[in-house]
Amino acid sequence: SYVLSQPPSVSVAPGQTARLTCGGNNIGSKNVHWYQQKPGQAPVLVVSDDSDRPSGIPERFSGSNSGNTATLSISRVEVGDEADYYCQVWDSSSDHLFVFGTGTKVTVL
Amino acid sequence: QVQLVQSGAEVKNPGASVQVSCKISGYTLTELSMHWVRQAPGKGLEWIGGSDPEDGETIYAQRFQGRLTVTEDTSTDTAFMELSSLRSEDTAVYFCATMPRYGGKEYFDDWGQGTLVTVSS
Repeated sequence: SYVLSQPPSVSVAPGQTARLTCGGNNIGSKNVHWYQQKPGQAPVLVVSDDSDRPSGIPERFSGSNSGNTATLSISRVEVGDEADYYCQVWDSSSDHLFVFGTGTKVTVL
Repeated sequence: QVQLVQSGAEVKNPGASVQVSCKISGYTLTELSMHWVRQAPGKGLEWIGGSDPEDGETIYAQRFQGRLTVTEDTSTDTAFMELSSLRSEDTAVYFCATMPRYGGKEYFDDWGQGTLVTVSS
């Protein structure tokens, strides 16, 4: 089964850049998608296919993917960016065909 | 823009079954691939089943095979998720979520509001 590992928490000051990692075996060969989830709400897609931003998502959100690590970067962090963030891939050999990472809680100091 | 509206919260006894519905508007079910994702209290997201975006066949996470049934009523553009033999570990918020059909777009771009299913005696 394919495993995606994310750090449990990241803290960042307003205006700084947050970098969230998602580790997986040869993840660079897969398309990685990122979701933002605020308390009590449904997830929202913020980056698809490694680095594409859906309509309505600020340019402050960007993604990259290479080797064994994918990264979601949030520049000029705002208080409203405080949320849980999950990475996700498709893996045909996994029990769960669509695999989510363990999630990272972003705290804005 | 797709809108997904789910049915309300449910409380079930262990061993019972639960059905959650998800009505879409803005698109038809035949234009989308519908999936179900759950989230236990304080835990992460878990994909449990849905329709293959390429051929429309129903697909399930292996651990839910035999216990989970995902169906669609295209006449009302409503999707259903039924989970049987409920146990306390099934207590979670269940989300429906759509995926673009065709083209290898393997992400969930629209989500329902979630339905809390509580399994307790």
